[in-house]
Amino acid sequence: GQQLNQSPQSMFIQEGEDVSMNCTSSSIFNTWLWYKQDPGEGPVLLIALYKAGELTSNGRLTAQFGITRKDSFLNISASIPSDVGIYFCAGQLGGSSNTGKLIFGQGTTLQVKP
Amino acid sequence: KAGVTQTPRYLIKTRGQQVTLSCSPISGHRSVSWYQQTPGQGLQFLFEYFSETQRNKGNFPGRFSGRQFSNSRSEMNVSTLELGDSALYLCASSLGASGGETQYFGPGTRLLVL
Repeated sequence: GQQLNQSPQSMFIQEGEDVSMNCTSSSIFNTWLWYKQDPGEGPVLLIALYKAGELTSNGRLTAQFGITRKDSFLNISASIPSDVGIYFCAGQLGGSSNTGKLIFGQGTTLQVKP
Repeated sequence: KAGVTQTPRYLIKTRGQQVTLSCSPISGHRSVSWYQQTPGQGLQFLFEYFSETQRNKGNFPGRFSGRQFSNSRSEMNVSTLELGDSALYLCASSLGASGGETQYFGPGTRLLVL
């Protein structure tokens, strides 16, 4: 199935460092979402973006909807051990054939060393 | 407000059997989308229901089906289970009117097919 190109695939960082991950696509998206998933649990919404160029923060997290509508990035500042998990980007295309359908990236696994 | 709930959380079945999974959306949400998550394919869209009608369907065989009730609760059914159906099945709910609202995920049902 269709997927977004998410990078990096994994990151192992020191506590206190900043983290950046991004997603790209050849398609134009109407919505970009960022989720975090812990083992055995469902994805938890971190940030939702609805407009090209939109920059949104949620605590130490900041995400942007690319102006071309084909990409998005997520930054985490001053990482802490509880940031460990898998981060997914997800996008929604326009049109009735994409109603209720999110397309996901492959995920970025983040490990934080105390 | 209670989140999305899914039952059961874990399920073990054998090949050839059928299974029914249940999803209760956030109160007031009328759209339910279902996804399959596997290590190899990631998160893949199965189908989406709104007001008891299937509005969109992903590229899965007809063995995968679903329905939605008048209270917006949804069920998905997989018939004639195959080993490859082992996965985490996630449902997500949204307000649903436009088909493009933010989706909130449940904890998932872990299905193991032996």
